[in-house]
Amino acid sequence: EAGVVQSPRYKIIEKKQPVAFWCNPISGHNTLYWYLQNLGQGPELLIRYENEEAVDDSQLPKDRFSAERLKGVDSTLKIQPAELGDSAVYLCASSLAGGGTGELFFGEGSRLTVL
Amino acid sequence: GQQLNQSPQSMFIQEGEDVSMNCTSSSIFNTWLWYKQDPGEGPVLLIALYKAGELTSNGRLTAQFGITRKDSFLNISASIPSDVGIYFCAGQLGGSNYKLTFGKGTLLTVNP
Repeated sequence: EAGVVQSPRYKIIEKKQPVAFWCNPISGHNTLYWYLQNLGQGPELLIRYENEEAVDDSQLPKDRFSAERLKGVDSTLKIQPAELGDSAVYLCASSLAGGGTGELFFGEGSRLTVL
Repeated sequence: GQQLNQSPQSMFIQEGEDVSMNCTSSSIFNTWLWYKQDPGEGPVLLIALYKAGELTSNGRLTAQFGITRKDSFLNISASIPSDVGIYFCAGQLGGSNYKLTFGKGTLLTVNP
C-alpha cells in the first residue's frame, strides 16, 4: 500500500514568489494534516481536514497561506507571497477518521528554501 | 500554549549501548507518543501510550506513560547503527482535542 505522497520534494524560490505543495494521503484516510517543521524543531500543525472540510485552521497564517482539499482526497498548500522565514519543511500527514489514536502517517515532506 | 521539553537534545553513543530519553510537560496529556524521523523523511510512529503508568515495548524499544500524565520516557536497548535519527515525543489531550503537540526532538548518533 502506498504511503502519503508529497511533491515537490525540494523547492527553491525567491522571496515574494508563490509556491504550492501537493499531497496525496493514504487511501481510505479521511483526515489530512499539513504540518510545518522548522530546522531543529518538532512539527507544528498548520491545518487539519476531515474529508473536504477544514476543521482546524487556527494556526494557518491566512494572510499568505491557503489550503484546499476539494474532493476530500488530495490537498494543496499554497504560500503567496513567500517570505524568507517560510524556509522550512512542509509535512503532510493522514490518519483514519479523527486521528484520535495519535497515529499519523507522514509523507517525506517538501523542503522549501526562500532566497 | 502547551510545550514539551525533551532531553537530552542530542546523544552520541557506541553501538550496543542502551539509550534513555525523556519528555516532560507543564500540563497533562491523555496520550503520549514517540515518533522517529530519519534524515529526509517524515516522522514514523514507534510507540503509543494511552494509560497513565502504562509500560509498552516494541522490539528493543520500551516507553512509559508517567503516572502524573506530565511525562514519558523512551529506552532503546542494545543500540544499532540504524537507530540513528531524531526521536520526537508528542502529547495529545484526546476527546474532542485531537491535536498533537511535539517536542523539539532528541538527535541520536550511534557510532559503529
